[in-house]
Amino acid sequence: EAGVAQSPRYKIIEKRQSVAFWCNPISGHATLYWYQQILGQGPKLLIQFQNNGVVDDSQLPKDRFSAERLKGVDSTLKIQPAKLEDSAVYLCASSLVVTEAFFGQGTRLTVV
Amino acid sequence: KQEVTQIPAALSVPEGENLVLNCSFTDSAIYNLQWFRQDPGKGLTSLLLIQSSQREQTSGRLNASLDKSSGRSTLYIAASQPGDSATYLCAAQAAGNKLTFGGGTRVLVKP
Repeated sequence: EAGVAQSPRYKIIEKRQSVAFWCNPISGHATLYWYQQILGQGPKLLIQFQNNGVVDDSQLPKDRFSAERLKGVDSTLKIQPAKLEDSAVYLCASSLVVTEAFFGQGTRLTVV
Repeated sequence: KQEVTQIPAALSVPEGENLVLNCSFTDSAIYNLQWFRQDPGKGLTSLLLIQSSQREQTSGRLNASLDKSSGRSTLYIAASQPGDSATYLCAAQAAGNKLTFGGGTRVLVKP
């Protein structure tokens, strides 16, 4: 069974530029999560989708971050414009309902 | 709002010693508790998932216990090896499939 796929693995951008991350969850998984993990900290939930609807985006900085999940499958997370404090690893995960969550390898973003 | 805490933040032990990692959560209304391993620069690998109706789960040298009433879970790693060096994270899953993480425990096993 294929795992959660994320791209790119690494990205370096200058502040005020925009960036987009892509996630392809495990086939059939209705729930998709995007987490931000700052170095030395645990993952913080940015947004959670159930199929193509948003369940929780309470911690998403909506003035600069946006996310969508087209047709309830793939998802993209965008940052525009980026700030230095956005430097982090962005993790995508998927799961069935109330079951084990599976994570991708993450995208390491460096904003300079 | 669920809060998950892991203490200690870092742990160093000699090879062969048993590891005990602690996780506490404030809201006991959880569906399950999941333990993950994270190697530097990598994503999260699921180790064990304990359903709310279970008290423990075992896989090889790993054993995780869950006490919902006291809001605690413990991960035991028997006979630690240098390859066990990593960061270990716990996450509580609650209504709406919401998954809340602790800050992690960074483990170093010295040869």
